[in-house]
Amino acid sequence: ILNVEQSPQSLHVQEGDSTNFTCSFPSSNFYALHWYRWETAKSPEALFVMTLNGDEKKKGRISATLNTKEGYSYLYIKGSQPEDSATYLCAFIRGNTGKLIFGQGTTLQVKP
Amino acid sequence: DGGITQSPKYLFRKEGQNVTLSCEQNLNHDAMYWYRQDPGQGLRLIYYSQIVNDFQKGDIAEGYSVSREKKESFPLTVTSAQKNPTAFYLCASSISARLAGEQNIQYFGAGTRLSVL
Repeated sequence: ILNVEQSPQSLHVQEGDSTNFTCSFPSSNFYALHWYRWETAKSPEALFVMTLNGDEKKKGRISATLNTKEGYSYLYIKGSQPEDSATYLCAFIRGNTGKLIFGQGTTLQVKP
Repeated sequence: DGGITQSPKYLFRKEGQNVTLSCEQNLNHDAMYWYRQDPGQGLRLIYYSQIVNDFQKGDIAEGYSVSREKKESFPLTVTSAQKNPTAFYLCASSISARLAGEQNIQYFGAGTRLSVL
C-alpha cells in the first residue's frame, strides 16, 4: 500500500486567518491528485482534481498547487471563515488504476 | 435528486452474522467504490467496480464481498470472516474509474456506521 501523508493532522485558526496544509504522495507514476472537503454529518465533496505538474486550481478563497516531481500538493485557504471548518482529504491515483489512495486528512477548526 | 443513497445509516451485527450494506446511485456512473474509515485513518478501499458484472479487490477486501448486477447498485456484504467490522463505511461512484480529470471525481453517500453487538 502506498502512503499518502497529510500534515498537520489538525489545525485551529481564528476567523480571518489564512492557512495552508500539505499532502505528500509518491512521485513515481503519478496520474492524478484529488482534494475533498468533508464537513461533519455530510458526505465528502470534491474540491479539485489536479493532473499536471505545476497545476494551480482556485475556487473562491481556496486554492491548490501541485508538484508531481517532488510529490506534494498544498491547499491554501485565504481569510478562513467558520464555514470552512471541515476535514480536508487528499487522494492520490498512481498510474491508470482507477484506485484512489487517501491521506488521513487535515481537520480544520475556524473560531469566530 | 441525483445522488448516492446508502442504507441503513446504522447497523448492528451479531457474532457470526453476515450483514449487507446497500448502495444505490442514480447518476448513471459506471464506477462504484466501497471505503472503510477507522478513527485516525484515511479512507481505505475495500472493493471497486468499473462496470456492471465486474469488480476488483481493493486494499482491505478480506472478509467482505460485493456484487454488481445492476449499474445502479453495489451492495457490500460484511461476512463473519471479517473479525473487526466496526467502522464507518462509505460508498462512492464516479463517471469512470479510468479517465483522468473531472470524470474521475468521486461522489459519496452519507455512510453506514456498523457496530458489533
